[in-house]
Amino acid sequence: QLQLQESGSGLVKPSQTLSLTCTVSGGSINSGGYSWSWIRQPPGKGLEWIGYVYYSGSTKYNPSLKSRVTISADRSKNQFSLKLTSVTAADTAVYYCAREGTEGLDYWGQGTLVTVSS
Amino acid sequence: EIVLTQSPAILSLSPGERATLSCGASQSVTSNYLAWYQQKPGLAPRLLIYDASSRATDIPDRFSGSVSGTDFTLTISRLEPEDFAVYYCHQYTSSPRTFGQGTKVEIK
Repeated sequence: QLQLQESGSGLVKPSQTLSLTCTVSGGSINSGGYSWSWIRQPPGKGLEWIGYVYYSGSTKYNPSLKSRVTISADRSKNQFSLKLTSVTAADTAVYYCAREGTEGLDYWGQGTLVTVSS
Repeated sequence: EIVLTQSPAILSLSPGERATLSCGASQSVTSNYLAWYQQKPGLAPRLLIYDASSRATDIPDRFSGSVSGTDFTLTISRLEPEDFAVYYCHQYTSSPRTFGQGTKVEIK
């Protein structure tokens, strides 16, 4: 059974960089045909797609965040990561990692709350 | 960007009733790559329906999806107590991926 687990700092100061890692177990991020995604949800609000790294290493980002986002994969550790620079209070959210295939986002991590505050 | 508009925002129903949730797309969703997710408080979303009408693994058959042009529908034939939650539609055919704003199904 595939499992995803987010980890990283839960508190980030304004203007600093948010860094999260998603560790995948029970399967490989090198598996063909899958994209490894980040989605976020501000408290009490809806879901926002951040971007993904494809199994080949190519990336796609939400244009609204593109200038601040980097998603990368570490195949040796079976992990993928999110970096979001110059954060503000508007970036406070629960951040989810998920796998996307031809069946949509079929596996999700449990989510991790990141608060931006001084 | 494909904009997804869900309606209604809130649906107040009783257990045993039928729920009909709508998701309208601003343009064609190629290959009907549209999914529905259920989210309960404090939990990650769960995939219910993919490709507009295919049930995901272990999803009860009271959940069904359909499509007519750019209008997508999620139907819950008879609401069970565990079905009261927020439901999101999501298109995964083009970038950026987008979600609808959600429909909350609450107990009347």
